[in-house]
Amino acid sequence: AIRMTQSPSSFSASTGDRVTITCRASQGISSYLAWYQQKPGKAPKLLIYAASTLQSGVPSRFSGSGSGTDFTLTISCLQSEDFATYYCQQYYSYPRSFGGGTKVEIK
Amino acid sequence: EVQLVESGGGLVQPGGSLRLSCAASGFTFSSYWMSWVRQAPGKGLEWVANIKQDGSEKYYVDSVKGRFTISRDNAKNSLYLQMNSLRAEDTAVYYCARGTIFFGYWGQGTLVTVSS
Repeated sequence: AIRMTQSPSSFSASTGDRVTITCRASQGISSYLAWYQQKPGKAPKLLIYAASTLQSGVPSRFSGSGSGTDFTLTISCLQSEDFATYYCQQYYSYPRSFGGGTKVEIK
Repeated sequence: EVQLVESGGGLVQPGGSLRLSCAASGFTFSSYWMSWVRQAPGKGLEWVANIKQDGSEKYYVDSVKGRFTISRDNAKNSLYLQMNSLRAEDTAVYYCARGTIFFGYWGQGTLVTVSS
């Protein structure tokens, strides 16, 4: 099974900051990676798939990059509504697997 | 508008059974793979199982193989998860999600609590 590791697990940031979250796969997954945002008590929301393709309706301040084993999610200018937990997910093989999550908190 | 509505969660004793349902609307249900994803309280997301459009292919995470069965009824636009031999570690919110690779639509989730 492919293990997905996110870093950091949490951090504090301010509105307007540029933030980057890292996701590493235990083996190469090409670009078969998605990113989700989850707010407390809510279902996850798909942000990015195929490592860098923005889901329809997602603000352009979100971007993704990477291939193989190393991936990043970047929020160019953090907004108040972006404080949430972010998960990466590989779909290169079964079982589908998620990273442990990165919680972005208000500084 | 795509809607996925889960039901069937609740409190069950260890070793017990529960059947979750997911009612789909707003899209052609029979055209999509469907999945179950769960989230233990305060923990991350875990993919559980998925099923092909016609039910001919099913995949499971190792921890539920032999205990959980995913199924669907395309005539009723419904997805199911039969959960047997439940364990404390199965306690989670269970989400129904559309797709098999990434998941663009999710239900609101239904809570399953396994406890004596």
